Amino acid sequence: DAGVIQSPRHEVTEMGQEVTLRCKLISGHNSLFWYRQTMMRGLELLIYFNNNVPIDDSGMPEDRFSAKMPNASFSTLKIQPSEPRDSAVYFCASSLRAGAPQETQYFGPGTRLLVL
Amino acid sequence: KQEVTQIPAALSVPEGENLVLNCSFTDSAIYNLQWFRQDPGKGLTSLLLIQSSQREQTSGRLNASLDKSSGRSTLYIAASQPGDSATYLCAVHSGNTGKLIFGQGTTLQVKP
Repeated sequence: DAGVIQSPRHEVTEMGQEVTLRCKLISGHNSLFWYRQTMMRGLELLIYFNNNVPIDDSGMPEDRFSAKMPNASFSTLKIQPSEPRDSAVYFCASSLRAGAPQETQYFGPGTRLLVL
Repeated sequence: KQEVTQIPAALSVPEGENLVLNCSFTDSAIYNLQWFRQDPGKGLTSLLLIQSSQREQTSGRLNASLDKSSGRSTLYIAASQPGDSATYLCAVHSGNTGKLIFGQGTTLQVKP
């Protein structure tokens, strides 16, 4: 299995532009998590899905952020419009069973976003 | 609100030393605790997962302990090697969800 796949790996954009980050889950996994990592705040959960349904989006910083799962194996995180303070590494992770906290989460390599 | 703290923030040791990384959490009502490793520019790799009913887990040279009542976990690395150099993150599952709360990490450097 290729593991969790994220694209792009690096993204540089200008303030005000729309940014779309993509994630492909490990085949057979049912839970999907989006995290953001910065030096100041560390790793923070933004939103997670079980069986394609958003369960907790309390970590999404503002309405500028939105996440979707159009199908069971794919997710997008969109920022519109982007701002310099959105610069961070965004990780996607998946786990096997929905709502099962004992399941290990498998992380993708991350997308490094720089908003100028 | 659950908070996770890791001490020290950074650690440098000579190769071969045994070392301990510390993690503390404020709310003892956790389902499990995980230790992750993060290499520079990479994602996280799960090292050990300890269920709330367990006291410790071992994998090779790594041993993680959990004391729920005191809100503490330690990661013990035996006979450290330069390849162990990375950032180690502790995370707890609070509540019956998949939500992980992470500490800030300990950056370890093992010198040859």
